Amino acid sequence: DSGVTQTPKHLITATGQRVTLRCSPRSGDLSVYWYQQSLDQGLQFLIQYYNGEERAKGNILERFSAQQFPDLHSELNLSSLELGDSALYFCASSPQGAGGYTFGSGTRLTVV
Amino acid sequence: EDQVTQSPEALRLQEGESSSLNCSYTVSGLRGLFWYRQDPGKGPEFLFTLYSAGEEKEKERLKATLTKKESFLHITAPKPEDSATYLCAVNNAGNMLTFGGGTRLMVKP
Repeated sequence: DSGVTQTPKHLITATGQRVTLRCSPRSGDLSVYWYQQSLDQGLQFLIQYYNGEERAKGNILERFSAQQFPDLHSELNLSSLELGDSALYFCASSPQGAGGYTFGSGTRLTVV
Repeated sequence: EDQVTQSPEALRLQEGESSSLNCSYTVSGLRGLFWYRQDPGKGPEFLFTLYSAGEEKEKERLKATLTKKESFLHITAPKPEDSATYLCAVNNAGNMLTFGGGTRLMVKP
């Protein structure tokens, strides 16, 4: 157990739907990062939050949004889902400042 | 734009056959180079952080080294349980990790 908790582990939904992925960071970590991993793209950075504020954005689609709550857990919202959104979505956390991330076990999203 | 390229994409070794994985990078303001191991369907597991050229880190059969342009992950006498995808990533001034495509390692008994 890495200390980063992601729920749900698996999600199957239809095109056009909206889903919410949840992440609880390691105790004490203020930064949360979301990554998407598909077979042909590798790990792609989506967005970073630090202590409730958005810090950096990667190649995140406008249909996707995220937030970090006062208790530091984070949610990634994916809407108007397309088949191509099927992927593993990872959350990672890190303490304040530079350093490596600790990843969660991911949410596997399948859009049918 | 930060770039990380890993080679080879896939590597098959016999148990006990040592080899090296390569990670070439370009980054503005390197704040660390990271190696992760990822098993199928699981999240990446942290292995090493390297910060400056010449630095080396070791853990069991793995040894990571760093130059100004690349990093190597040396695997000595690998075992089947070392089979996984090994990911390299660089941390820039924005504390964002940019990952390479990974090397899929398979160690046959």
